[in-house]
Amino acid sequence: KQEVTQIPAALSVPEGENLVLNCSFTDSAIYNLQWFRQDPGKGLTSLLLIQSSQREQTSGRLNASLDKSSGRSTLYIAASQPGDSATYLCAVRSQTGANNLFFGTGTRLTVIP
Amino acid sequence: KAGVTQTPRYLIKTRGQQVTLSCSPISGHRSVSWYQQTPGQGLQFLFEYFSETQRNKGNFPGRFSGRQFSNSRSEMNVSTLELGDSALYLCASSLSVTYEQYFGPGTRLTVT
Repeated sequence: KQEVTQIPAALSVPEGENLVLNCSFTDSAIYNLQWFRQDPGKGLTSLLLIQSSQREQTSGRLNASLDKSSGRSTLYIAASQPGDSATYLCAVRSQTGANNLFFGTGTRLTVIP
Repeated sequence: KAGVTQTPRYLIKTRGQQVTLSCSPISGHRSVSWYQQTPGQGLQFLFEYFSETQRNKGNFPGRFSGRQFSNSRSEMNVSTLELGDSALYLCASSLSVTYEQYFGPGTRLTVT
């Protein structure tokens, strides 16, 4: 069964700093990996989707990379802002088994003004 | 294009009752998935539908059921509610099963 881990569980950074969030998964047989953000009590907002054949995706200040062979993905946030404060979740769509989306437990990011 | 909508947004029920939650996907999306989110367990997969057929089911008891209609709207039902069913229930839609998932705002269910 696919297991997804996100470290650290929480992170506080001063405004303007660049930061990296990590996601690792145990089974490299995946269709894709998706990064989400979740604000308290709200639903998930899709940030980036990386297909298994891709190495990275960029959207504005966000850049996500995927190394399928090592089972790792990173989300890079440039020039962080207080509005980036949220919980960031990664999810992988497995090719084996039930093919459903497996979520990590998230990294809670706080950007301090 | 309108996003994924879920109704109701908040619900308070008593133990033993049953509840039905509704999800309307983004127009054109044929895949709908349901998730339960709790502080202790995180996000757990409930089930996934595509073109009215259940493709996958998570590890939840039979009290949890769902269905998808011909217009892709989906409902999930929980019977004989337990205190542990208190959670945020999230619905996601996509064009097809392995495509990008878009989530709704969720339904907050509280069981007393």
